[in-house]
Amino acid sequence: RKEVEQDPGPFNVPEGATVAFNCTYSNSASQSFFWYRQDCRKEPKLLMSVYSSGNEDGRFTAQLNRASQYISLLIRDSKLSDSATYLCVVNGNDYKLSFGAGTTVTVRA
Amino acid sequence: DTGVSQDPRHKITKRGQNVTFRCDPISEHNRLYWYRQTLGQGPEFLTYFQNEAQLEKSRLLSDRFSAERPKGSFSTLEIQRTEQGDSAMYLCATATGASVSGQYFGPGTRLTVT
Repeated sequence: RKEVEQDPGPFNVPEGATVAFNCTYSNSASQSFFWYRQDCRKEPKLLMSVYSSGNEDGRFTAQLNRASQYISLLIRDSKLSDSATYLCVVNGNDYKLSFGAGTTVTVRA
Repeated sequence: DTGVSQDPRHKITKRGQNVTFRCDPISEHNRLYWYRQTLGQGPEFLTYFQNEAQLEKSRLLSDRFSAERPKGSFSTLEIQRTEQGDSAMYLCATATGASVSGQYFGPGTRLTVT
């Protein structure tokens, strides 16, 4: 079983729509959680950290459910520039990051 | 440019040749990681340095792979006797000592083994 599992999508949404997706992780001892964004043939870039209480950064909202071991990302008022692959990332207490395979989001005009 | 840099950005080599990649971290970042990413997958951890000490190596890292970080600054990743299965994007990432901080990635080196 992979450490981090994501629905690969693609999620095809119109501009202005809301899109949400989850990932699950297997290591209950995981301590830190992140969403990274990766554009085609580019490096991953940190989008936001995910905190236990949930957190928001502009149009992006991340939630963590430790009991069920899943993380979610919600994007409101989608923009064309939000089209990317979103990587769910989990960090244990050993400083290594475990990445999901990514969820592809395509926002259409 | 104060971000993570990697060199070369692209490398095409013939099977059996040796290749070496370089990563220059963000200056105050003491942790440095190497990852490998293939199409349709997320990055996979290869190895990790804290300052000059190599603290962990993935079992993905066969004995053909070696990494160094002399003086705790830049790092090199060498692949000996390359195989076609080594074709991938090799990503370097760096971070500060705080465990809750995310990692910052360089642009990667895309390796193609023919």
